[in-house]
Amino acid sequence: DAKTTQPPSMDCAEGRAANLPCNHSTISGNEYVYWYRQIHSQGPQYIIHGLKNNETNEMASLIITEDRKSSTLILPHATLRDTAVYYCIVRVIYNFNKFYFGSGTKLNVKP
Amino acid sequence: SQTIHQWPATLVQPVGSPLSLECTVEGTSNPNLYWYRQAAGRGLQLLFYSVGIGQISSEVPQNLSASRPQDRQFILSSKKLLLSDSGFYLCAWIPAGRDQPQHFGDGTRLSIL
Repeated sequence: DAKTTQPPSMDCAEGRAANLPCNHSTISGNEYVYWYRQIHSQGPQYIIHGLKNNETNEMASLIITEDRKSSTLILPHATLRDTAVYYCIVRVIYNFNKFYFGSGTKLNVKP
Repeated sequence: SQTIHQWPATLVQPVGSPLSLECTVEGTSNPNLYWYRQAAGRGLQLLFYSVGIGQISSEVPQNLSASRPQDRQFILSSKKLLLSDSGFYLCAWIPAGRDQPQHFGDGTRLSIL
């Protein structure tokens, strides 16, 4: 039931910004965009989420297009420890809070 | 603060044996609870979710069942394991509220021999 499309993998140089895209062209007005990442053999870690406006926290920035059909997660200064699978998820607020994970993007941060 | 505990961390079981994986959440009341499975190299598949004690919803037909005997306890079970039940099992929870992220445990890696 994943409603998002992400590239399977991306490379980024250490210290540079990593920009991870996500398409969610069928998103509805009451659906939030969430981003998680999963480092090998660990549970997914919450990064950031948003509805309409761009969001920023200590980990990343989330840019959502005006039509809400796509978004970009930005890691401003990628480190080797940011190497992980990044998942973009759309979630309906009132649908028992179910989250559907797609295949995600494997981000490889290289020295 | 809220924490989630999942055990065991790893488990090796023979085909046909029973299974019981436990998940508990601390520091919150009436959370929504979830079980996911992740096959090797794949994304997460939602298996079960629960909005309260004794209330279980299944997302996909399978050889597994779930129970919620207490508010903050979620159990994943099977009477007879299949080879296809191998994978990484993750428990997650959401605190009460409309706009809350889901938080995950450290997972159980289950290998069926």
